Amino acid sequence: EVQLLESGGGLVQPGGSLRLSCAASGFTFSNYAMSWVRQAPGKGLEWVAGIFDSGANTFYADSVKGRFSISRDNSKNTVYLQMNSLRAEDTAVYYCAKDFVSTVRGKHDYWGQGTLVTVSS
Amino acid sequence: QSALTQPRSVSGSPGQSVTISCTGTSSDVGTYNYVSWYQHYPGKAPKIMIYDVSKRPSGVPDRFSGSKSGNTASLTISGLQAEDEADYFCCSYAGRYTVLFGGGTKLTVL
Repeated sequence: EVQLLESGGGLVQPGGSLRLSCAASGFTFSNYAMSWVRQAPGKGLEWVAGIFDSGANTFYADSVKGRFSISRDNSKNTVYLQMNSLRAEDTAVYYCAKDFVSTVRGKHDYWGQGTLVTVSS
Repeated sequence: QSALTQPRSVSGSPGQSVTISCTGTSSDVGTYNYVSWYQHYPGKAPKIMIYDVSKRPSGVPDRFSGSKSGNTASLTISGLQAEDEADYFCCSYAGRYTVLFGGGTKLTVL
C-alpha cells in the first residue's frame, strides 16, 4: 500500500525557516517524480515545487522561487521542502504528491494527508 | 503562472449529470494533454479521478469522464450520487516542468 507521510509543519514567525519531510513507502520511490502542493485557508491548490526521480532536476512556482528548495534522499525514501524567508501568505496545508512518471508532469496518483504551516508573529 | 479558471460551485440532483469546466491558455491546457482532475474532501488527501485529459485510474467509477476542447478541459460526472459531493480541482502541465491547478469547484448534490 502506497503511503506518504508529511511532517515538520508548525508555527513560524515571518522571515523564519522550516523544513518539511515526506516519508514514502509502498512503491519504488527512486523511480518517480515528487511534488509539494499547498492549499491556503479557503483557497485552491497551488503547486509549489517538483523534483525528478533522480533528484538532479528541481522546479518551482514563481511564488516561492529563491526562497524554497526541494530535495530528496532516495536511500531514505524521503522528499524534503526547505522553506526560508517565510511570509504570511505561505500559510497553508502542504501536501506531498507522487507523480505517475519519473519527470514532473502534474499527474499525482498518490497524496499525503498534509501538514499545516502557519506563518504568524 | 496564473491559476486555471474553474466555476466556484456547481450543483445537481441525484442521478443527474454535471460538468465542471477548467479554462487555461494555449501555454498549458491548450498545448499539453496532461490535464488531471482531483476529488478533495476537506481534511483528506486529494484523489486523482482523471489523468491525461480522459483516462481513468483503476477503481474510479466510469461515471467520471474527462475531455478537452481548445484551452478548456471538462470533467463530467453522470448519475450523481450523494458521495460525489466534494471539491474538484483541475490541474495542467504548463511546460518547463511546472504545473498549474485550478481554483477548485464545490459540487453540491441537492
